[in-house]
Amino acid sequence: EPEVTQTPSHQVTQMGQEVILRCVPISNHLYFYWYRQILGQKVEFLVSFYNNEISEKSEIFDDQFSVERPDGSNFTLKIRSTKLEDSAMYFCASSEAISTEAFFGQGTRLTVV
Amino acid sequence: KQEVTQIPAALSVPEGENLVLNCSFTDSAIYNLQWFRQDPGKGLTSLLLIQSSQREQTSGRLNASLDKSSGRSTLYIAASQPGDSATYLCAVRVRGLSFGAGTTVTVRA
Repeated sequence: EPEVTQTPSHQVTQMGQEVILRCVPISNHLYFYWYRQILGQKVEFLVSFYNNEISEKSEIFDDQFSVERPDGSNFTLKIRSTKLEDSAMYFCASSEAISTEAFFGQGTRLTVV
Repeated sequence: KQEVTQIPAALSVPEGENLVLNCSFTDSAIYNLQWFRQDPGKGLTSLLLIQSSQREQTSGRLNASLDKSSGRSTLYIAASQPGDSATYLCAVRVRGLSFGAGTTVTVRA
């Protein structure tokens, strides 16, 4: 069964460093998303991406974040200068259309030290 | 701002009992509502999607209802099993998915 895959599963980085989280969405899906879940808190929407541009973003998605689809299969989230409070599980998701079922990856646990 | 609330926060039942999980949301202008399952430290597994025009959706032992006008959805799980133990999340799609905090279910063997 097709699935969303994310790498790495766990990343540890020093405060102030740049990190790139990688995702391979389901191949026939057109909409891609990033969410995050700080330990013990709700899952929060960060950004959605369609037709090679951001279609929606939340207040959390500020200038330190960026997304890119560098080729036909990968979808990345870059955090430019990480802070301690960026420590969270980051989930990538994809869907065929804007109102169809969203499928999530297993997540990347980012730890900023 | 869309607020999603799930009650109860935790639930413990003996095996075989039916589960009833509640979700409420403040803004009825949604595209759809999706129920997920999350196991500890794991990703989100989609269970059911209900479009805003639908009232109900069923998959196996799972049945979800949606009353958009009152901002409520209920997930029913029939004849619960220990393998159903997990956190169940409700999410509504407006601008991205807005999630509730979840109901953590424990099914005792």
